[in-house]
Amino acid sequence: GAVVSQHPSRVICKSGTSVKIECRSLDFQATTMFWYRQFPKQSLMLMATSNEGSKATYEQGVEKDKFLINHASLTLSTLTVTSAHPEDSSFYICSATPLQGLEGFFGPGTRLTVL
Amino acid sequence: DAKTTQPPSMDCAEGRAANLPCNHSTISGNEYVYWYRQIHSQGPQYIIHGLKNNETNEMASLIITEDRKSSTLILPHATLRDTAVYYCIAGHRDDKIIFGKGTRLHILP
Repeated sequence: GAVVSQHPSRVICKSGTSVKIECRSLDFQATTMFWYRQFPKQSLMLMATSNEGSKATYEQGVEKDKFLINHASLTLSTLTVTSAHPEDSSFYICSATPLQGLEGFFGPGTRLTVL
Repeated sequence: DAKTTQPPSMDCAEGRAANLPCNHSTISGNEYVYWYRQIHSQGPQYIIHGLKNNETNEMASLIITEDRKSSTLILPHATLRDTAVYYCIAGHRDDKIIFGKGTRLHILP
């Protein structure tokens, strides 16, 4: 199956700093990628849709100025958590669907811990 | 995307078939049924999808009822590595995958 990678896999940062997470589709192109957040013992919550060449669209309740998304190419999307606080500590996961496909492929996730 | 209902948890003995049910009574005629699973601390993994006919791949089988209001994911010979949360999803809304609570499957040695 198609492969999606994320970097870094784990990050620890101090409160107030910004953290960038990369999501890459390694063997396919995707005009849209999706970012999710998952808190312990909960399901994945969709945060936003990353659109190549245009602005990201955010789900209700997600602050666009706090979670900056850039979809630089058909294989790369980045999520920047700005001015991170302890409540932003979570498991962040991206996904992408190949242009001609139906099923979604997910990255391995990035565990963010904000001290 | 139609709402789905799954049991919160299930147990299955290792080596036996695991049958995971899903209700999706409001599914539209053109919406596919998808199954994903998430092993602890990993990203979700696509398993299988179908529209009307039963489907089988190297991971699992998907049985969809004739009225399409429910489906069953079958793992034919469950192993300990199949312990995960299994998500049944009816339709992708604009390619978005919206997750419910899923079924936590425990494979017992």
